[in-house]
Amino acid sequence: DIQMTQSPSSVSASVGDRVTITCRASQGISSWLAWYQQKPGKAPKLLISAASSLQSGVPSRFSGSGSGTDFTLTISSLQPEDSASYYCQQAESSPRTFGQGTKVEIK
Amino acid sequence: QVQLQESGPGLVKPSQALSLTCSVSGDSMSSGDHYWSWIRQPPGKGLEWIGYISYSGSAHYNPSLKSRVTISVDTSKNQFSLELYSVTAADTAVYYCARAILSNYFDPWGQGTLVTVSS
Repeated sequence: DIQMTQSPSSVSASVGDRVTITCRASQGISSWLAWYQQKPGKAPKLLISAASSLQSGVPSRFSGSGSGTDFTLTISSLQPEDSASYYCQQAESSPRTFGQGTKVEIK
Repeated sequence: QVQLQESGPGLVKPSQALSLTCSVSGDSMSSGDHYWSWIRQPPGKGLEWIGYISYSGSAHYNPSLKSRVTISVDTSKNQFSLELYSVTAADTAVYYCARAILSNYFDPWGQGTLVTVSS
């Protein structure tokens, strides 16, 4: 199985701050990576697919980059509604696997 | 707009089988190249892919659960189902169904249903 490791596990930042979350794959996955946002009590929501392709309706302050084993999700200007957990997921091979999650909190 | 909705018992006894159904609306399961997935999340923990199935019935499972899982599809009802056998407390989780776009990325998701394994 491909292991996905996210860092940090949690981050606290102020409104307007730039926030970066990192996801590292245990082996190369090309650009087969997605990012999801999950708010408490809700289902995850797909934000980004193919490492950098923003889904329709997702604010442009979210962006994704990377390929191979190292990926980042960036929130360019943190908003109160961005308080959530974020998960990466690899789609290079089966079984599909997720990172352990990063909790983003607003100071 | 595609919507998915899980249904099934919220409480299952240890050693018994967990059975859930996902109803799909707004899209025909028979159209396109998508797969139809089950994913779970134990309380306070991360996400685990259980498996998925195509409209034609081709199923793929997580090896960690493969010996205890069956996913089936009923295209006439636009539904797919999960059966997880011989459950233990470790199977307590919120179970989500989701569409896997071209078998790769999960969108959209159902709202999730909490299944507790307890006597």
